[in-house]
Amino acid sequence: DTEVTQTPKHLVMGMTNKKSLKCEQHMGHRAMYWYKQKAKKPPELMFVYSYEKLSINESVPSRFSPECPNSSLLNLHLHALQPEDSALYLCASSQDLNYNSPLHFGNGTRLTVT
Amino acid sequence: RKEVEQDPGPFNVPEGATVAFNCTYSNSASQSFFWYRQDCRKEPKLLMSVYSSGNEDGRFTAQLNRASQYISLLIRDSKLSDSATYLCVVKGVGSSASKIIFGSGTRLSIRP
Repeated sequence: DTEVTQTPKHLVMGMTNKKSLKCEQHMGHRAMYWYKQKAKKPPELMFVYSYEKLSINESVPSRFSPECPNSSLLNLHLHALQPEDSALYLCASSQDLNYNSPLHFGNGTRLTVT
Repeated sequence: RKEVEQDPGPFNVPEGATVAFNCTYSNSASQSFFWYRQDCRKEPKLLMSVYSSGNEDGRFTAQLNRASQYISLLIRDSKLSDSATYLCVVKGVGSSASKIIFGSGTRLSIRP
C-alpha cells in the first residue's frame, strides 16, 4: 500500500473545465513533488515544494497551478488544459531535498482532457 | 548524450533465469542512485537504493561503479511477478531536486 494518497484516481475533463488534483502524505516528509508521465516515458518533474514553499517550477505552463496548504497536502489546480496534457500525474514525497532521500510516489491520477 | 541511459529492452527471459541491467550516467558528481520498478499503468515503486559498496535484498543485487559511471541491477531466480519496467534514478549534487534524473526504463518480461 502506498503511503502517498492521490485523488481522484481517474479524471476526465473538458478544455474549459477547472479541476484539482489532491495529494496527501503522513510520513512527515518535508518535500513534495508533482510529476507528469506519458505512456512508455519516464516521469517528468513539474514542481517541487520544500517546507511548504515552491522550490522548483520546471517551466510548467500557467494552466497548471500548484498549491501546498500545509506540510501534508499538495494540490494541483488545472484550468484550460489541452488534449496533449492527458497523462498520468504523479505526486511524490521525500524526507527532504537531501540527496539520499528517495522519492515515494502516490498511485497517480490518470487525466484525460477532451 | 543523455544524462542517464538505460537499455530499453525488452528483456524476455524464462522463469528462474538470472538477468542484469545496467544504467550509465554522465555526471561524475552524481551522489545517490536508486532502482525503481513500475508496473503497467501503476506508479513507480522504490526497489532499492544503491550504495557504494553494493547491496543485496533477497534475489536483487545492486552495484555502483563510480569509475565507469554505471549502476547495475541483478535479479536471480526470476519470477513471473518480476515482469515490469525498471527505472534507474540518479540524484545530483547538493539539494536541488531538479537533479533527480530518471532513466527511460528497461522493460523486463518473464515467461513461464
